[in-house]
Amino acid sequence: KAGVTQTPRYLIKTRGQQVTLSCSPISGHRSVSWYQQTPGQGLQFLFEYFSETQRNKGNFPGRFSGRQFSNSRSEMNVSTLELGDSALYLCASSLFRTSGTLGEQFFGPGTRLTVL
Amino acid sequence: AQSVTQLGSHVSVSEGALVLLRCNYSSSVPPYLFWYVQYPNQGLQLLLKYTSAATLVKGINGFEAEFKKSETSFHLTKPSAHMSDAAEYFCAVSGGSGGSNYKLTFGKGTLLTVNP
Repeated sequence: KAGVTQTPRYLIKTRGQQVTLSCSPISGHRSVSWYQQTPGQGLQFLFEYFSETQRNKGNFPGRFSGRQFSNSRSEMNVSTLELGDSALYLCASSLFRTSGTLGEQFFGPGTRLTVL
Repeated sequence: AQSVTQLGSHVSVSEGALVLLRCNYSSSVPPYLFWYVQYPNQGLQLLLKYTSAATLVKGINGFEAEFKKSETSFHLTKPSAHMSDAAEYFCAVSGGSGGSNYKLTFGKGTLLTVNP
């Protein structure tokens, strides 16, 4: 079974530009979460999507947005890039989302974004 | 809000020695607890998880962790370190008091070095 895939793996942008990152979850998984990883702040939750709806959002500015498609694939977008947005962006997928838990999250390899 | 503290940002052990990585959580209500491992330029891989069943949890690659409610701890151990264990390890929680069941809150990580 293929794992979570993220494209592109590496990206270099300049300040002020926007960027779109893509995540394909494990087949059959319906929940997709995004995390930002930086040396200073560590791993921080961005948002979670389930059935094409954002269900949970972390404490990030509105420049960070995302969406999920009917096939569960997800994209996240960062507009007006800042130097501080340089990070590894990780996507994780889960099989289900019940009232009790998100279930085990499987992580992709990440997209390394560098903002110059 | 839920928080996770990993004591020691860097732990160094000799090959064959005991590995002990410390994790404490802040919730008064037992959350779900996880340990993840991250190898260079890769995503996160789940080592083990605690979901209110047995307090001693066995994971992959010979790792185990013990949930101690009285100490709000979930320390990770391995009896004998192998060179291939060198990586960064993250403790994470979801749920509990002040925490969402639908996202992971991570500790800052512990970099494990294994010396020959």
